[in-house]
Amino acid sequence: GAVVSQHPSRVICKSGTSVKIECRSLDFQATTMFWYRQFPKQSLMLMATSNEGSKATYEQGVEKDKFLINHASLTLSTLTVTSAHPEDSSFYICSARELAAYEQYFGPGTRLTVT
Amino acid sequence: AQSVTQLGSHVSVSEGALVLLRCNYSSSVPPYLFWYVQYPNQGLQLLLKYTSAATLVKGINGFEAEFKKSETSFHLTKPSAHMSDAAEYFCAVRTSGAGSYQLTFGKGTKLSVIP
Repeated sequence: GAVVSQHPSRVICKSGTSVKIECRSLDFQATTMFWYRQFPKQSLMLMATSNEGSKATYEQGVEKDKFLINHASLTLSTLTVTSAHPEDSSFYICSARELAAYEQYFGPGTRLTVT
Repeated sequence: AQSVTQLGSHVSVSEGALVLLRCNYSSSVPPYLFWYVQYPNQGLQLLLKYTSAATLVKGINGFEAEFKKSETSFHLTKPSAHMSDAAEYFCAVRTSGAGSYQLTFGKGTKLSVIP
């Protein structure tokens, strides 16, 4: 089956530093990848959609200069949280989709804690 | 715009009892609907999907859902709950945006199974 991995699974960083989260599709080519944010006991909120080789499209209210997304290959997308602050602490989940497919396959998530 | 509403943020059932998790959708076009399960600190796993074929959809782990257009519903059921079914369940509808199909999630229903 289609597998999506995320790295790291957990990260703790100091306020003001930047953190990079990787999302990889292990056994398929992900033409589109999605980044979600999930606060405790809440639903997933789409942050951005990225198509391979193109700039990401951010949802309203998401700061593109703070959450940098790169989708340079068909198997890798990265989310960089720049100048992180405690309010950026959250669970970040990526998903990936093949061209013309219905389904999104989700990664296991990354727990970010900013101290 | 398409959306889903999950009725009940928390459902408790006894082990062996029927599981019923409710989801209603709003869509101006024939919807594609999904149910996902999330275990603590993990990503989402697809349980089943409706893509305009059979209205009764069978998924993994004994779950099924019935698409009812007249009621705009896509409720998730399982005849007999197991302890391992305790998790968060999300209903989602496929929407279009950013040049790609996206998923819009409901707020989620936490299922507790009582021994």
